Amino acid sequence: DGGITQSPKYLFRKEGQNVTLSCEQNLNHDAMYWYRQDPGQGLRLIYYSQIVNDFQKGDIAEGYSVSREKKESFPLTVTSAQKNPTAFYLCASSAYRAAGNEQFFGPGTRLTVL
Amino acid sequence: GESVGLHLPTLSVQEGDNSIINCAYSNSASDYFIWYKQESGKGPQFIIDIRSNMDKRQGQRVTVLLNKTVKHLSLQIAATQPGDSAVYFCAENRGSARQLTFGSGTQLTVLP
Repeated sequence: DGGITQSPKYLFRKEGQNVTLSCEQNLNHDAMYWYRQDPGQGLRLIYYSQIVNDFQKGDIAEGYSVSREKKESFPLTVTSAQKNPTAFYLCASSAYRAAGNEQFFGPGTRLTVL
Repeated sequence: GESVGLHLPTLSVQEGDNSIINCAYSNSASDYFIWYKQESGKGPQFIIDIRSNMDKRQGQRVTVLLNKTVKHLSLQIAATQPGDSAVYFCAENRGSARQLTFGSGTQLTVLP
């Protein structure tokens, strides 16, 4: 089955620790995205990548880092510099087309800082 | 900056009635719009999309209307069912990097 997987589903972190959230897709999509969602809010873009070995900051990149060493994978690291990391994190991917940009989402990772 | 917003944060409808969820956008250069459905604790699911050269597009039980004159987008759900209860987001395409800007969402509740 084609799709996007995220792991873990739930993640608990102590203050001061870095954690890495996994995102894998087998849709052969070039572009991948990370969003943060807070309760009752919309999605805010953290980072995105249009091609392997390249990525760009989104609207709220501070305190986060990413890598894109493989087309299928786009892990997100939440660093200790992120002041309020408790949130629902969503990964998405899309195929590049001249028009239109339907993004397919993974099931999300809920991160809680203890 | 550009933004996508929704007129109503919550909407309650009787089962079997039609639902209309509205969305306003401000970027007149946006050329692509999507509606997503998000159930509690899950990732958003694609419902329907529309390009700016269209006014209307229909899917199974859903219709999206685009009014570029007033920068308004709506999602109509026919014969609303309990399984339609979720948060609905509209999103617009922005920038050459094909990014999407999401609205804050509307919580649709279907009453028995």
